[in-house]
Amino acid sequence: GAVVSQHPSWVICKSGTSVKIECRSLDFQATTMFWYRQFPKQSLMLMATSNEGSKATYEQGVEKDKFLINHASLTLSTLTVTSAHPEDSSFYICSAYGLAGYNEQFFGPGTRLTVL
Amino acid sequence: AQSVTQLGSHVSVSEGALVLLRCNYSSSVPPYLFWYVQYPNQGLQLLLKYTSAATLVKGINGFEAEFKKSETSFHLTKPSAHMSDAAEYFCAVSAPISNFGNEKLTFGTGTRLTIIP
Repeated sequence: GAVVSQHPSWVICKSGTSVKIECRSLDFQATTMFWYRQFPKQSLMLMATSNEGSKATYEQGVEKDKFLINHASLTLSTLTVTSAHPEDSSFYICSAYGLAGYNEQFFGPGTRLTVL
Repeated sequence: AQSVTQLGSHVSVSEGALVLLRCNYSSSVPPYLFWYVQYPNQGLQLLLKYTSAATLVKGINGFEAEFKKSETSFHLTKPSAHMSDAAEYFCAVSAPISNFGNEKLTFGTGTRLTIIP
């Protein structure tokens, strides 16, 4: 099957620090990875789209300098929340596309970020 | 711009009863529509999708959904609920693209389905 993992599954950090979240496609090469954010009782909101080897495309209203996305290989994309603040506390979910023969995105289990 | 509205954040049905989860969409272009399921501590899993072919779409685990343009709806149904169907369900919409799977998805707020034994 197609498995996408995220690490860590949850993280607590102090305000002002940076946090890196990893998204890995374990058994396929992901040409595109998507990053979503979900606030409690709200829908998943697309933050950015990243293609391997190129700069991420951010959705309107998402600060690219605050949410740094790197897609350096076909199996790994990272989201770094820089100078995190309590309002950045959320559930971050990635998805990956590229499994041959499968016309769908495969989602990771998400990372819960709490900023104190 | 596109959006979806899921009516009912929580739905409870008895085991063996009909499951009906509602989704209405808004789109300025003919949409692609999706239903995803999320079990605890797992990623979203695609149940089914509509991409402008047949309006009645059959998915995994016995679920199906019907695209009704006149009602701007894409409701999810299953004739007989099983205990294993208890999960969070998300409806999503995207603009049509040629590269299936690479869609930019806009999600609803989700519906938590509880099955009563």
